[in-house]
Amino acid sequence: GAGVSQSPRYKVAKRGQDVALRCDPISGHVSLFWYQQALGQGPEFLTYFQNEAQLDKSGLPSDRFFAERPEGSVSTLKIQRTQQEDSAVYLCASSLVVAEGYNEQFFGPGTRLTVL
Amino acid sequence: AQKVTQAQTEISVVEKEDVTLDCVYETRDTTYYLFWYKQPPSGELVFLIRRNSFDEQNEISGRYSWNFQKSTSSFNFTITASQVVDSAVYFCALSGVRDDKIIFGKGTRLHILP
Repeated sequence: GAGVSQSPRYKVAKRGQDVALRCDPISGHVSLFWYQQALGQGPEFLTYFQNEAQLDKSGLPSDRFFAERPEGSVSTLKIQRTQQEDSAVYLCASSLVVAEGYNEQFFGPGTRLTVL
Repeated sequence: AQKVTQAQTEISVVEKEDVTLDCVYETRDTTYYLFWYKQPPSGELVFLIRRNSFDEQNEISGRYSWNFQKSTSSFNFTITASQVVDSAVYFCALSGVRDDKIIFGKGTRLHILP
């Protein structure tokens, strides 16, 4: 009974490096969400996929942030030319189906990114 | 626009005291969902409760209770007879129906002192 998994759990990057964060959603889950949680703040929405389609990327803070889910399962969040303000925990969540009514999101443990 | 406000940044109480965490929300949706999550020091988000906007009935689960009042756009959370293990950051959150992204408040850090 695997839940949402994320890797790596911790990542340290030097300013200017590119990073890639991986999310493995629960098998069969259609929707996948990325959130960013800065220190001392609540999680903030970044982007949302339904299968392989990225339906909402309104929360991505800059064009340095890019997310993909090419086969509708695993997703990668890529941050180019990392900056110190990118330091945060990146949370991934998945839900079973998009429909009327509520589709519960299951959260992964997060990846803590520290940019030096 | 949707917004969740948790005015209490940090609360400290002595073990066995009752404590209420406040949450006020804003939304133009007529149908929406409200949540509470717990984030212990280990960092994972632990789901506590979900409430549909049409269901204003208060809920009790063990030492936890929730008071949903649409008239004041509030969804407060009370822990009765608090325990040290309740120490964590608690987030109130809001979601629409069509747009499933969850809008979180900034959280309330709760310290239960032995």
